[in-house]
Amino acid sequence: EVQLVESGGGLVKPGGSLRLSCAASGFTFSSYSMNWVRQAPGKGLEWVSSISSSSSYIYYADSVKGRFTISRDNAKNSLYLQMNSLRAEDTAVYYCARSFGPFDIWGQGTMVTVSS
Amino acid sequence: DIQMTQSPSSLSASVGDRVTITCRASQGISNYLAWYQQKPGKVPKLLIYAASTLQSGVPSRFSGSGSGTDFTLTISSLQPEDVATYYCQKYNSAFTFGPGTKVDIK
Repeated sequence: EVQLVESGGGLVKPGGSLRLSCAASGFTFSSYSMNWVRQAPGKGLEWVSSISSSSSYIYYADSVKGRFTISRDNAKNSLYLQMNSLRAEDTAVYYCARSFGPFDIWGQGTMVTVSS
Repeated sequence: DIQMTQSPSSLSASVGDRVTITCRASQGISNYLAWYQQKPGKVPKLLIYAASTLQSGVPSRFSGSGSGTDFTLTISSLQPEDVATYYCQKYNSAFTFGPGTKVDIK
């Protein structure tokens, strides 16, 4: 079964850091670009970051550029998002998603709450 | 940056009605347009990509059309299980989502 499972969410103080992980299974992870998308409580979807299959191309939304770092380990079938200098407005469910262009497989999400 | 807008922001229709949602890009994006369905409390699901290609397993009552800047998602006969928020997304270069359209049953 094709599956993505996120982990690493939690409660963090403003200015703090958190590292999210996404474990992939059921498909050839190294063949796909991967992405992070977030959704603040009661709000819409916001694309956060993307990484190509070999990590050659990396993109960030302006809202996280310079604070978040996406990476992947194809040997471990895993995607990561290092989040630094967190702000209250980063509070959201964070989804990892596989893409072949559009995002066809999504994980269940992990909640990140930034609050003092 | 290319912005995506959707209209209406919400709608209420009866079971069996034809429902149309519009998505507009601030600049031309060819057909690099996808539609997603997110049911309450659930994960987004890909419905349509390349503006009009139905993702495997998606009911045929869903269809998409358009190219360039103007796109539509049509549900030919609304069903109770279609209650959801629908998002468009462009996926050429950056991956901007539209603000969403919430669909309810009247």
